[in-house]
Amino acid sequence: EPEVTQTPSHQVTQMGQEVILRCVPISNHLYFYWYRQILGQKVEFLVSFYNNEISEKSEIFDDQFSVERPDGSNFTLKIRSTKLEDSAMYFCATLLDRDNQPQHFGDGTRLSIL
Amino acid sequence: AQSVTQLDSQVPVFEEAPVELRCNYSSSVSVYLFWYVQYPNQGLQLLLKYLSGSTLVKGINGFEAEFNKSQTSFHLRKPSVHISDTAEYFCAVSELNTGFQKLVFGTGTRLLVSP
Repeated sequence: EPEVTQTPSHQVTQMGQEVILRCVPISNHLYFYWYRQILGQKVEFLVSFYNNEISEKSEIFDDQFSVERPDGSNFTLKIRSTKLEDSAMYFCATLLDRDNQPQHFGDGTRLSIL
Repeated sequence: AQSVTQLDSQVPVFEEAPVELRCNYSSSVSVYLFWYVQYPNQGLQLLLKYLSGSTLVKGINGFEAEFNKSQTSFHLRKPSVHISDTAEYFCAVSELNTGFQKLVFGTGTRLLVSP
C-alpha cells in the first residue's frame, strides 16, 4: 500500500534557526496537510494545501511558518526562526479527494529545539 | 466550528475485559468520524471510520464503533482487550463539504491494559 514518507524522523535544531520538514505524498493525492502534536497533547491542525496554495490555516500557523511543493512532489513545512515551543511531532497527511477518506498520515518528524 | 470531546483521559482495564472509549463531537453540519491509535513513539494509525451508511462500523484489531447522530457520539468498543492494545486513542472529525476537510482531534484517551 502506498505510504506518506516524512524526513527526517528526528531533527534537532538550535533556537532561532530555520528548519525544513519534508513529506513525500502518495503520488495521485490532491490535498495535503500538516499537523502538530506537542508531547503529551492532542494532534492539532496547522495548514491544508490544495492546488498549489494554502486552503486553510490555523492560528498556530503564523508568519514563521510556510509550506510549498517546490518540485511537484515534495511537500515541505518551513519554520523560519524556531522557538522552544515549536518542539513537537509534526505529521504530514494526504488525501486523494474529498470522497476518498481517510487522510493518510506519515510517521512524523520529531522536532527538538534546544 | 467542529470540536471533539474525549472525557476519559485514561482508562485502565484488565486483559480480556471489555472496554469502551467515549467520544462526543459538536458540529453544525454533517461529519465524517474517525478513530486513530498511536502506540508509543509512533505515528497515527487508522482504526476505523464512519462516512455514511450503517452506524456500526468495524475496524482493525477487533475494534468497532457506533455513530449516534442524536447523541452526537462515536464511542469505540472492544469486547476483549489484549495487553498489546495499550496505546493512546484519538477520536477525530472532519466536516463534509466545507473547507478542505481538516481533521479536528480530541485530546486522546490512554488505554492501559494490565494482566
